[in-house]
Amino acid sequence: DAGITQSPRHKVTETGTPVTLRCHQTENHRYMYWYRQDPGHGLRLIHYSYGVKDTDKGEVSDGYSVSRSKTEDFLLTLESATSSQTSVYFCAISEPSGTLPYEQYFGPGTRLTVT
Amino acid sequence: GIQVEQSPPDLILQEGANSTLRCNFSDSVNNLQWFHQNPWGQLINLFYIPSGTKQNGRLSATTVATERYSLLYISSSQTTDSGVYFCAVRSTTSYDKVIFGPGTSLSVIP
Repeated sequence: DAGITQSPRHKVTETGTPVTLRCHQTENHRYMYWYRQDPGHGLRLIHYSYGVKDTDKGEVSDGYSVSRSKTEDFLLTLESATSSQTSVYFCAISEPSGTLPYEQYFGPGTRLTVT
Repeated sequence: GIQVEQSPPDLILQEGANSTLRCNFSDSVNNLQWFHQNPWGQLINLFYIPSGTKQNGRLSATTVATERYSLLYISSSQTTDSGVYFCAVRSTTSYDKVIFGPGTSLSVIP
């Protein structure tokens, strides 16, 4: 257990509404990641963070924004949710080994349904 | 970017059988992990194995980084081994990003 929680765990929202998912960690890990998982696509990286206020895009970042104002929290925002963003969202953390990110650990996931 | 392939995509085993899952990647990596996603959706770390061989009980893994592949061996399979197995890699040219393969779906039947 790497001390990762995600909230909410389940959410149903309507198209066009803003949604924010939260990832919280308790062990001061430097790197944090957001992935989405869809049938037939495995896990795809949305955004990641390598420190407070340091973020970068992943493979599928369109329609998503992130913020990290403190070490323990990494927020994923859907500014205007669409049905194509219905998915399971996973947060992950890793620590650097030297200067490189090391082994990843995942949170329990958030199931988001956009109707 | 780096491409990751896994084979086979689906596998059905009788309890007690052995199996080998494969992960191929298209670029040099400095990080490779194997995960098991159980039927409840939880992602469980199996191995961190950028090179060499590791064993943990009935599971073992080998990565040959120079030939760009990794293998996961499951021996004496049990129904609790069912789920999806993912490999994930971090390339040497994009070290912040971890890219997942599409997974191998394993069903172990009693």
